[in-house]
Amino acid sequence: AQKITQTQPGMFVQEKEAVTLDCTYDTSDPSYGLFWYKQPSSGEMIFLIYQGSYDQQNATEGRYSLNFQKARKSANLVISASQLGDSAMYFCAMRENRAAGNKLTFGGGTRVLVKP
Amino acid sequence: NAGVTQTPKFRVLKTGQSMTLLCAQDMNHEYMYWYRQDPGMGLRLIHYSVGEGTTAKGEVPDGYNVSRLKKQNFLLGLESAAPSQTSVYFCASSSSGLLASNQPQHFGDGTRLSIL
Repeated sequence: AQKITQTQPGMFVQEKEAVTLDCTYDTSDPSYGLFWYKQPSSGEMIFLIYQGSYDQQNATEGRYSLNFQKARKSANLVISASQLGDSAMYFCAMRENRAAGNKLTFGGGTRVLVKP
Repeated sequence: NAGVTQTPKFRVLKTGQSMTLLCAQDMNHEYMYWYRQDPGMGLRLIHYSVGEGTTAKGEVPDGYNVSRLKKQNFLLGLESAAPSQTSVYFCASSSSGLLASNQPQHFGDGTRLSIL
């Protein structure tokens, strides 16, 4: 079974509008973390935001926020006020804390294209 | 602030040739990782290391070897390159320990490897 699932291969969003990127995960580890990374066309991986499984509040970081629904095992990324520079691939990743090495398991990604 | 540096950035090999990809980090991180990213997909873990002199297999280790002789360096070797190993390779590093569970992995800019 896939540990991280991103069901939206690609999305268009109008500039200045908000967009939600879906991420569902599967783990039996009660302690885990969820990360979102951005990969622009230049190829580098840019860390955006983190949510811990025991965090009481949804994480926010500037225009990025996480809609964390633990019971549903989902951690959707919300990008508010989209900008042209937000056009990129976005990856959700999970770290299971009982596993050695702080390894990350990545989803397949969602490509976002912001239209002017 | 170099962070994680990968060399080379691009390489073309013929089937059967060998090569080594070098990763260097200057953040004094204990953990280091090698991933591969195939077109339109997320990253998959090849090997990782939790400290100098240690290595462990990830999700897709076959056909690769690694070494971590120095804390700051993590080498990925292909002994006999195959076309299926054509991919973009990313190195990453992260802090260790329980207090570092919310710390992201920091990525290099990637190495684009083509095997003919």
